[in-house]
Amino acid sequence: SAVISQKPSRDICQRGTSLTIQCQVDSQVTMMFWYRQQPGQSLTLIATANQGSEATYESGFVIDKFPISRPNLTFSTLTVSNMSPEDSSIYLCSVVPGYTEAFFGQGTRLTVV
Amino acid sequence: GQNIDQPTEMTATEGAIVQINCTYQTSGFNGLFWYQQHAGEAPTFLSYNVLDGLEEKGRFSSFLSRSKGYSYLLLKELQMKDSASYLCAVARGQGNLIFGKGTKLSVKP
Repeated sequence: SAVISQKPSRDICQRGTSLTIQCQVDSQVTMMFWYRQQPGQSLTLIATANQGSEATYESGFVIDKFPISRPNLTFSTLTVSNMSPEDSSIYLCSVVPGYTEAFFGQGTRLTVV
Repeated sequence: GQNIDQPTEMTATEGAIVQINCTYQTSGFNGLFWYQQHAGEAPTFLSYNVLDGLEEKGRFSSFLSRSKGYSYLLLKELQMKDSASYLCAVARGQGNLIFGKGTKLSVKP
């Protein structure tokens, strides 16, 4: 199993600013995943973060907008840059140790005003 | 392309049985997950199927047919607390998941 500590749990930000979300895992994992959940919607994968290499982004997501860091095997950050109201969502990080169960952080509820 | 379909909403009565279906067409398949998500909370794991057949875990069971690209989640003896969204997700290689849009289940007395 894995326990993920994600912060902040929520934030209200001004448009045009940036917010960095952190996830700390209690065990070493090769990959960490970042998802977005827009209001009333399901989860959409943003990118896969590997330690020691650049993140792999899904279609529709770019590094300039969502830069990711992965300095070691237990930690990752996602930055939401130059925010607009359309970025208001819940952002979640996830790990899948053993590939049979995905564990999620508690999520960051972002509101952009 | 990636396509995962599940009903948007379902309603059932307390004590009854409900089946939530999920069909998928994805590039890459490394298993299928079901998650429960209450409003404002992170998803919680319910089941994982990688081989065809039925997996039973208490009141919850999940079935997979890889040849048909089909799965279902069966909830028995429904309780009010089972009112939530149920997310079907296909695992591609390396652990990243593609989620369906979720099924909002309402359990009524």
